[in-house]
Amino acid sequence: AQTVTQSQPEMSVQEAETVTLSCTYDTSENNYYLFWYKQPPSRQMILVIRQEAYKQQNATENRFSVNFQKAAKSFSLKISDSQLGDTAMYFCASAIHGTASKLTFGTGTRLQVTL
Amino acid sequence: ETGVTQSPTHLIKTRGQQVTLRCSSQSGHNTVSWYQQALGQGPQFIFQYYREEENGRGNFPPRFSGLQFPNYSSELNVNALELDDSALYLCASSLSPSGSTDTQYFGPGTRLTVL
Repeated sequence: AQTVTQSQPEMSVQEAETVTLSCTYDTSENNYYLFWYKQPPSRQMILVIRQEAYKQQNATENRFSVNFQKAAKSFSLKISDSQLGDTAMYFCASAIHGTASKLTFGTGTRLQVTL
Repeated sequence: ETGVTQSPTHLIKTRGQQVTLRCSSQSGHNTVSWYQQALGQGPQFIFQYYREEENGRGNFPPRFSGLQFPNYSSELNVNALELDDSALYLCASSLSPSGSTDTQYFGPGTRLTVL
């Protein structure tokens, strides 16, 4: 079984600043995927970034990057140059390799970007 | 290319009733997954359908059932509704169950309230 833990229920960051959201996970699998999803007030879950566990290089997508520490089972999300539109719930999720569409989610971190 | 749509947007039922939620997958996607998101929680995987067959199930009782149709749209049925079934129900579609390279797209959800 997989578990995902997000220990920060809420975070706040000023516009243009950088913020890091934490996530730890547990799995007995050697090969798996990790994801960060964003859920704005519109409720539609949007994929922010994904990481394949066998790839040591940290994934990046424009202003979003991850710090993947496989031995520590840690997968944090860094948002650079925060924008008001980044305000949302952020969920960390995992999936076993070969079943990437069956996700195990954490409880989420509510991020507020302020002026 | 249309996105994932769900109907209805909101629904109110009473305990013991039955409900059917509908999901139209993204064009070309043959895999649909359903998730339950209780208030303040991350989504939990209910089950997945691939080419009209159930392809994996989470820890949900048999009164949660589903269907997938030849056009790959899907239904989630819940019998004998309980108060704890009150939640946002999300469906997500992808090109394949493995999802190794594709992206899973989520719908905006159906908010179910059980009184």
